[in-house]
Amino acid sequence: AQSVAQPEDQVNVAEGNPLTVKCTYSVSGNPYLFWYVQYPNRGLQFLLKYITGDNLVKGSYGFEAEFNKSQTSFHLKKPSALVSDSALYFCAVRDGAAGNKLTFGGGTRVLVKP
Amino acid sequence: EPEVTQTPSHQVTQMGQEVILRCVPISNHLYFYWYRQILGQKVEFLVSFYNNEISEKSEIFDDQFSVERPDGSNFTLKIRSTKLEDSAMYFCASRPMQLAPSTDTQYFGPGTRLTVL
Repeated sequence: AQSVAQPEDQVNVAEGNPLTVKCTYSVSGNPYLFWYVQYPNRGLQFLLKYITGDNLVKGSYGFEAEFNKSQTSFHLKKPSALVSDSALYFCAVRDGAAGNKLTFGGGTRVLVKP
Repeated sequence: EPEVTQTPSHQVTQMGQEVILRCVPISNHLYFYWYRQILGQKVEFLVSFYNNEISEKSEIFDDQFSVERPDGSNFTLKIRSTKLEDSAMYFCASRPMQLAPSTDTQYFGPGTRLTVL
């Protein structure tokens, strides 16, 4: 079975400061990892993914994430947060060896204060 | 940029009634999905669909649920007899068929909020 954990329900950060949203995963096969963002009354927007290759992946809106196989983590980062980054962030995993469903974490609400 | 669209944005129904949620996937995508998110809970996989048949389904997707691609553009989720616990946001997603890493991404629609009274 595959699972994802986002240990923080909410992250508060001041505008201009670095932002980190944590994610750990568990899969039997090779992990395919994704980050999505959800703004109020909107759907899930794709930010970035790790399938293979470089452990540091860059995505939309200045976000990046680092795949760490030994720690089974895929933390989302942004060097300098904006107020407009305030949203709900979801980490998701797909087991590359079994099926194509995504399993989501519980989500982390990010609040960036001016 | 192409997007997944869903209608209606909000559906209110009485318990026991049938509802059909509609989705228009991105035009060149061949894999289709339904997920749901009960208020305050995780996004949960319901079903995936490829080549006019279900390829995978969760334990949530029981006999009350069905999916269909009635024409070349729409993808529908039908709940035959709604229960109170079916109240949730339902998301449709689609993905290209190519299995290269660059295309292995599911794109989500804005969701339909289903309220069962």
